[in-house]
Amino acid sequence: KAGVTQTPRYLIKTRGQQVTLSCSPISGHRSVSWYQQTPGQGLQFLFEYFSETQRNKGNFPGRFSGRQFSNSRSEMNVSTLELGDSALYLCASAMDSTSYEQYFGPGTRLTVT
Amino acid sequence: AQSVTQLDSQVPVFEEAPVELRCNYSSSVSVYLFWYVQYPNQGLQLLLKYLSGSTLVKGINGFEAEFNKSQTSFHLRKPSVHISDTAEYFCAVSEQGGSEKLVFGKGTKLTVNP
Repeated sequence: KAGVTQTPRYLIKTRGQQVTLSCSPISGHRSVSWYQQTPGQGLQFLFEYFSETQRNKGNFPGRFSGRQFSNSRSEMNVSTLELGDSALYLCASAMDSTSYEQYFGPGTRLTVT
Repeated sequence: AQSVTQLDSQVPVFEEAPVELRCNYSSSVSVYLFWYVQYPNQGLQLLLKYLSGSTLVKGINGFEAEFNKSQTSFHLRKPSVHISDTAEYFCAVSEQGGSEKLVFGKGTKLTVNP
């Protein structure tokens, strides 16, 4: 079974631009979560989607948004990029909303200049 | 709300020595507990998890952890480490009966020296 895939793997953007990151979960998995990883703040939860509905949201500004499609693929969008948004963005998928076993993708490394 | 404290940010050990990575958590509700490993330039891989039952949990790559409810701890151990165990290790919790949201500790970088 293929693992969680994230595209693109690396991205360089300029302050003020917007960016869209994509995540394809493991086949059959319906829950997708997003995390931001930075050296200073560590791993922080962004949001979780299950069956196209946002089930939980972390403490991030409204510039961070996401969505999930009917095939469980998910995208996250960051508008009006700031230098502090530079991070590794990790996507994780789980079978359902109560499996408590998440599988992480390799991440998208976003650099904002 | 939950929080996780990993008491050591860096742990250097020699190959074939035992290691313990410490994790304490705080929560007003019952939680599930996890250990993840991250190798350079990779995502996170689940090492082991505690959901219920025996408090001693065995995971992949020879790792094990013990849940201690009274001390709110979930320390990770390995009796003999290899060079290939060099990585960053994260302890995490999620709320029982809640969503899949994980709250992570800051991580412990394990360096195994020859």
